[in-house]
Amino acid sequence: DGGITQSPKYLFRKEGQNVTLSCEQNLNHDAMYWYRQDPGQGLRLIYYSQIVNDFQKGDIAEGYSVSREKKESFPLTVTSAQKNPTAFYLCASSPNQGLYNSPLHFGNGTRLTVT
Amino acid sequence: AQSVTQPDIHITVSEGASLELRCNYSYGATPYLFWYVQSPGQGLQLLLKYFSGDTLVQGIKGFEAEFKRSQSSFNLRKPSVHWSDAAEYFCAVAPGNTGGGNKLTFGTGTQLKVEL
Repeated sequence: DGGITQSPKYLFRKEGQNVTLSCEQNLNHDAMYWYRQDPGQGLRLIYYSQIVNDFQKGDIAEGYSVSREKKESFPLTVTSAQKNPTAFYLCASSPNQGLYNSPLHFGNGTRLTVT
Repeated sequence: AQSVTQPDIHITVSEGASLELRCNYSYGATPYLFWYVQSPGQGLQLLLKYFSGDTLVQGIKGFEAEFKRSQSSFNLRKPSVHWSDAAEYFCAVAPGNTGGGNKLTFGTGTQLKVEL
């Protein structure tokens, strides 16, 4: 079955370390996204990519970096510059370069805890 | 910029009772509107969407939503709730005139508890 795979499900890191979250999709979707979810705040967009080798900052990109070298992969690096990295991270994808009539498909998320 | 308000943080209903989850949006023109559901520790699943046309839209799992332009609302309803509907529900809005890029704005969510 096609879908989005995020790994690992739980991730623990020490403060000051960079960490990379994996997101792989086999839906052949053009667009991919990273959202951060915090209790009571809904989802906030970190980065998105409409096509390979191109990506754009979302609303809360500071302290994060991404790459889009392959259509099926969109890894997110949480750097030590991110002041409050502990959160639930969701990856999503959509076809047609993410035009608005293309709903998002979500992975099951990675819960990152930084101590 | 668009925004979404879900005024109810938590709602508790009895199994078999009807449900209405409120969503109000702010956007200058006709938006694209969505409802997503999230089970604990999982990603989000699309319930339904509104782009244009009939203002009452049907979704999966027996849910429906009605777009009311005069009230800037897109409330989610279900006639009879099942215990498996317990989850968090998110309303989302996107500009209807975009040139590209799916930049949804999500509400803060409503946590639904179902009493047996």
